[in-house]
Amino acid sequence: KAGVTQTPRYLIKTRGQQVTLSCSPISGHRSVSWYQQTPGQGLQFLFEYFSETQRNKGNFPGRFSGRQFSNSRSEMNVSTLELGDSALYLCASSLASSASGGGTQYFGPGTRLLVL
Amino acid sequence: AQSVTQLDSQVPVFEEAPVELRCNYSSSVSVYLFWYVQYPNQGLQLLLKYLSGSTLVKGINGFEAEFNKSQTSFHLRKPSVHISDTAEYFCAVSDRGGGSNYKLTFGKGTLLTVNP
Repeated sequence: KAGVTQTPRYLIKTRGQQVTLSCSPISGHRSVSWYQQTPGQGLQFLFEYFSETQRNKGNFPGRFSGRQFSNSRSEMNVSTLELGDSALYLCASSLASSASGGGTQYFGPGTRLLVL
Repeated sequence: AQSVTQLDSQVPVFEEAPVELRCNYSSSVSVYLFWYVQYPNQGLQLLLKYLSGSTLVKGINGFEAEFNKSQTSFHLRKPSVHISDTAEYFCAVSDRGGGSNYKLTFGKGTLLTVNP
């Protein structure tokens, strides 16, 4: 079974631009979560989508948004990019929604975003 | 709120030596516990998880971890490491109850370096 895939793998943008990242979960998984990884802050939870609905959200500004499609694929969008948004963005999929607790998350390889 | 403390940011060891990576957590409720590994320029791979049952959990690549509720710890161990085990290891915790406040909380990571 194919794992979680993320596109693109690398991205360079300039301040003020916006960016869209894509994540395809493992077949059959309906929950997709997004995380930001930086050297200073480590891994931080952005949000989770299940059945096309946002179920949980971390402490990030409204510039960070996402959506999920009927095939469970998810996109994350960051508008008005700032230098501090440079990070590895990881997507994880699981069978169960977070509401049921304990759903093991499987991670993709990540998208490395550099903001200049 | 949950938190995870990985007591060592870096652990250097020689090949074939045993290793223990320490993880302590704080939570007001019962939790699930996970260890993930991240190789350079890759996403996170699940090593093992504790959901319930036996407190000694065996994972992939010869790793195991023991859940100690009284000490709120979930230390990762391997009796004999290989060069290929060089990577960053993350301990993570999630609330058993799930619900709208559910999220996977990660520690800052421990960089394991195996030297010949």
